[in-house]
Amino acid sequence: AQTVTQSQPEMSVQEAETVTLSCTYDTSESNYYLFWYKQPPSRQMILVIRQEAYKQQNATENRFSVNFQKAAKSFSLKISDSQLGDTAMYFCAFMFSTGNQFYFGTGTSLTVIP
Amino acid sequence: DAGITQSPRHKVTETGTPVTLRCHQTENHRYMYWYRQDPGHGLRLIHYSYGVKDTDKGEVSDGYSVSRSKTEDFLLTLESATSSQTSVYFCAIQDSLYSNQPQHFGDGTRLSIL
Repeated sequence: AQTVTQSQPEMSVQEAETVTLSCTYDTSESNYYLFWYKQPPSRQMILVIRQEAYKQQNATENRFSVNFQKAAKSFSLKISDSQLGDTAMYFCAFMFSTGNQFYFGTGTSLTVIP
Repeated sequence: DAGITQSPRHKVTETGTPVTLRCHQTENHRYMYWYRQDPGHGLRLIHYSYGVKDTDKGEVSDGYSVSRSKTEDFLLTLESATSSQTSVYFCAIQDSLYSNQPQHFGDGTRLSIL
């Protein structure tokens, strides 16, 4: 199985500040996709952002952006202007370009402090 | 939101009893998945389906079986539930493999085996 590592089990950030969640993965493939999912207390899994490995440009979605370092196999998520609604568990996920299995990290629990 | 319904949302049962969880989709997506979510493990794939009557095992398939007789329904069965199968179970669907299409998740089923 692929290894996806999220080394920060818990993090906190002050409202309106910026926070970065880290994710590293292990693969010998050159083509793959990476995702960040958010799981709020409601338990729903919500896609936050996706990145294709063949794209050098980092993906952005409003206040969410990634820092994709392919050589280092690193895929961090930056949340700018943190809001209380960003409080959630965040999961990093990896998918082969020709496969259909997702491999998830163990998650980072983020708390936004008012 | 993707049309995915999991039932039941919560279930408590006793060791040794059979349990069936249902995932129903209205998106006509080909691929469907069952995951379990446990603290410290993130989401782990149990079984997946790539079409009607076509299924395959995931990372943690022991003790579980699945069936897919219709595109819209994917059933997960615990033939004889054990306490180690207490978990939150998520169903996911996916439209296509050969793109960056994410998996979309249901709201989860909390299963407790006493």
